[in-house]
Amino acid sequence: DTEVTQTPKHLVMGMTNKKSLKCEQHMGHRAMYWYKQKAKKPPELMFVYSYEKLSINESVPSRFSPECPNSSLLNLHLHALQPEDSALYLCASSHPRDRASILNTEAFFGQGTRLTVV
Amino acid sequence: SQQGEEDPQALSIQEGENATMNCSYKTSINNLQWYRQNSGRGLVHLILIRSNEREKHSGRLRVTLDTSKKSSSLLITASRAADTASYFCATGNQGAQKLVFGQGTRLTINP
Repeated sequence: DTEVTQTPKHLVMGMTNKKSLKCEQHMGHRAMYWYKQKAKKPPELMFVYSYEKLSINESVPSRFSPECPNSSLLNLHLHALQPEDSALYLCASSHPRDRASILNTEAFFGQGTRLTVV
Repeated sequence: SQQGEEDPQALSIQEGENATMNCSYKTSINNLQWYRQNSGRGLVHLILIRSNEREKHSGRLRVTLDTSKKSSSLLITASRAADTASYFCATGNQGAQKLVFGQGTRLTINP
């Protein structure tokens, strides 16, 4: 199984809603990532989890709250979003050779969640 | 910023021709990776080249890396309509522990 599965594929939410994006992989990868991608732009890193610990937060607003319940799952909790947060949210995973070198292998991406905030 | 800059931003060629995309970056790197993204979908890893490598091949793909010029190129030979996609380079920096993507090249293969 070389897949990263993201649910839902599409999500429309109001600015007062609370929702969660889910990401799952069963490749034994110990690094997992959330990226945000606006149309015709490259993916922008939001969070990195390494061995289930948050290792990087790219100054993301607190209305985005990541969670890594175990080594296979990654969630992104959304609350009080703004219309400008509408984007494709991508989850990725990779298998680091050790805790100090999470970047030395390829990243596997899910198909993304297309989020629209109304 | 470590972010890569890609050139050209858009490329349109005829099926069967070769496509070359370039990527430049600013800081020292551990490796450089190339990804493909079909419209509105996830990214697919194509190839990873380490900082001590100069050239790497995978099927119809050829990647070169020149660390002295902080640049890389991706060559797709004998292009096919299915190669139509956006292509991104991404650099990994050990100190920053994160993968940063370039602006991307939108490649269109015309039948």
